[in-house]
Amino acid sequence: EDKVVQSPLSLVVHEGDTVTLNCSYEVTNFRSLLWYKQEKKAPTFLFMLTSSGIEKKSGRLSSILDKKELFSILNITATQTGDSAIYLCAVERTSGTYKYIFGTGTRLKVLA
Amino acid sequence: NAGVTQTPKFQVLKTGQSMTLQCAQDMNHNSMYWYRQDPGMGLRLIYYSASEGTTDKGEVPNGYNVSRLNKREFSLRLESAAPSQTSVYFCASMTGNQPQHFGDGTRLSIL
Repeated sequence: EDKVVQSPLSLVVHEGDTVTLNCSYEVTNFRSLLWYKQEKKAPTFLFMLTSSGIEKKSGRLSSILDKKELFSILNITATQTGDSAIYLCAVERTSGTYKYIFGTGTRLKVLA
Repeated sequence: NAGVTQTPKFQVLKTGQSMTLQCAQDMNHNSMYWYRQDPGMGLRLIYYSASEGTTDKGEVPNGYNVSRLNKREFSLRLESAAPSQTSVYFCASMTGNQPQHFGDGTRLSIL
């Protein structure tokens, strides 16, 4: 059965810390891996990764995919209280009953 | 620049009541999705519509029906609400290989 597993489930850090969020997957017909940030409402898109070893970066956030070991990490440097959110990982499949499988999310809380 | 709009934002129902959650997108996307989000479960797909006129079951379709009214609108209906359907419901849309865009969600409580 295809699955996406995120770790840790929750994390509390202080402002200025660096955090690494993990997403591992066992999915047939892999197309891409996506990261979303969910604050109080709608998940908002962060990154889409399709190739191994190529880092995607946006400000203090970066992410990389390892298709051999079947995982991705999301790094946040110099964390701020505004980074507090649930971070969702999803894997898109090329075929199958439905395209996206989501992990359970990592809840990050950044303390001032 | 609305994106994906869901109504209502909150709803409380009694067991056995019916209701329809509405979703509309203004991005001319072909595909639309309904998810539910429960604590510790992530987002689980209920139904999706790959294009106007088609709908398919997702991971957890039991107790729900959908209608793709036109390209913009995709509604989710609970015919006889049960407490197990208490959840936050998200609608999403996408086109091609672009990422999904999500609405702000409907928080539904069933007593």
